[in-house]
Amino acid sequence: AQSVTQLDSQVPVFEEAPVELRCNYSSSVSVYLFWYVQYPNQGLQLLLKYLSGSTLVKGINGFEAEFNKSQTSFHLRKPSVHISDTAEYFCAVSPIQGAQKLVFGQGTRLTINP
Amino acid sequence: DAGITQSPRHKVTETGTPVTLRCHQTENHRYMYWYRQDPGHGLRLIHYSYGVKDTDKGEVSDGYSVSRSKTEDFLLTLESATSSQTSVYFCAIRGGGGERTEAFFGQGTRLTVV
Repeated sequence: AQSVTQLDSQVPVFEEAPVELRCNYSSSVSVYLFWYVQYPNQGLQLLLKYLSGSTLVKGINGFEAEFNKSQTSFHLRKPSVHISDTAEYFCAVSPIQGAQKLVFGQGTRLTINP
Repeated sequence: DAGITQSPRHKVTETGTPVTLRCHQTENHRYMYWYRQDPGHGLRLIHYSYGVKDTDKGEVSDGYSVSRSKTEDFLLTLESATSSQTSVYFCAIRGGGGERTEAFFGQGTRLTVV
């Protein structure tokens, strides 16, 4: 079975500051890793994904994430945030082989202050 | 946008009544998922399907049943709704592994059980 822990439920930052949203996962098998974003009153959309290869993954809107297998982490970063980045962010995992359950973390609410 | 539609978008129902939510896709994707979203819990998997008539339980399946008689439709039924099932329900579709592994989400159904 897989599980995902997002270490911060809320992260307030000032506009143009850098931000890191932390994600740790647990799995007995190899997994794909994802970050999704949910803007207010909307569904979820994919920010980025790690399938294989380079451990640094770049996504939309200037976000990137680094896969660290030894620490079972997949932290999301952005060097300079904007007001429009205010949203809830979800980390998710899915096994590469076998049952294709897609399991999410509890979410991190990112609030950007001017 | 991925062709995925949830219906209804909003519903208020009384405790003890049956409720069915529908997820319809036009992408011919193999995998379909039902999640519920509650504050502090992120998205929790209720059930998922890996083909017509092939379904499996998620982490919060008690009180819910599903059916998938056609590739395009995945139904979620609350046999006897309870107030604890008040939530926002999301459907997701997914093509498979590798490069097709991105999940696409519907706009959600807000269910209130009174």
